[in-house]
Amino acid sequence: SQQGEEDPQALSIQEGENATMNCSYKTSINNLQWYRQNSGRGLVHLILIRSNEREKHSGRLRVTLDTSKKSSSLLITASRAADTASYFCATDANLGVGQNFVFGPGTRLSVLP
Amino acid sequence: GAVVSQHPSWVICKSGTSVKIECRSLDFQATTMFWYRQFPKQSLMLMATSNEGSKATYEQGVEKDKFLINHASLTLSTLTVTSAHPEDSSFYICSPLRVYNEQFFGPGTRLTVL
Repeated sequence: SQQGEEDPQALSIQEGENATMNCSYKTSINNLQWYRQNSGRGLVHLILIRSNEREKHSGRLRVTLDTSKKSSSLLITASRAADTASYFCATDANLGVGQNFVFGPGTRLSVLP
Repeated sequence: GAVVSQHPSWVICKSGTSVKIECRSLDFQATTMFWYRQFPKQSLMLMATSNEGSKATYEQGVEKDKFLINHASLTLSTLTVTSAHPEDSSFYICSPLRVYNEQFFGPGTRLTVL
């Protein structure tokens, strides 16, 4: 099964509202990353949070990490129509042969004008 | 950040033909390359892991004879989809590993098999 599981799978909000997406994972991690993917396009790296960090900010993005609950959240404040995309969390699955990030199924965010 | 390129960015081919996808890390060397596949509205699924100069390790359910991976140099890896069929239509994304814990992603190649 997937290491990362995003919740909700789909989210629709009005422009200007905040959007919160959650990610849960199963095993211990070294770091967790959030990515955005516009329809039919490649991945865009948003933010990396390490296991010893609890919160990070980048512009309108705020990511939290709770290792005791094995969960992370991505908050987008003052959303814009351009934020419409799929958002994935990816956790390092430290397989011992380099590293590999395991992606969750993603949250499809729709920001309505 | 690191620059990763894929070529082609999209390709349409007839069923039964083979398609080669190139992935280059333009400003760093990658000893390890991951290849992912993404079907519409789904997440990325790891297909295989390759180390430069070695045979690739394939994930369960991925046919090694169908998806040929060559990682001949530290800056170039190729994925060849042999005898492609419509069910192989997908978005293929390479991901080179720069150093331990720094993984980057290519822009992806959209394959459509008619």
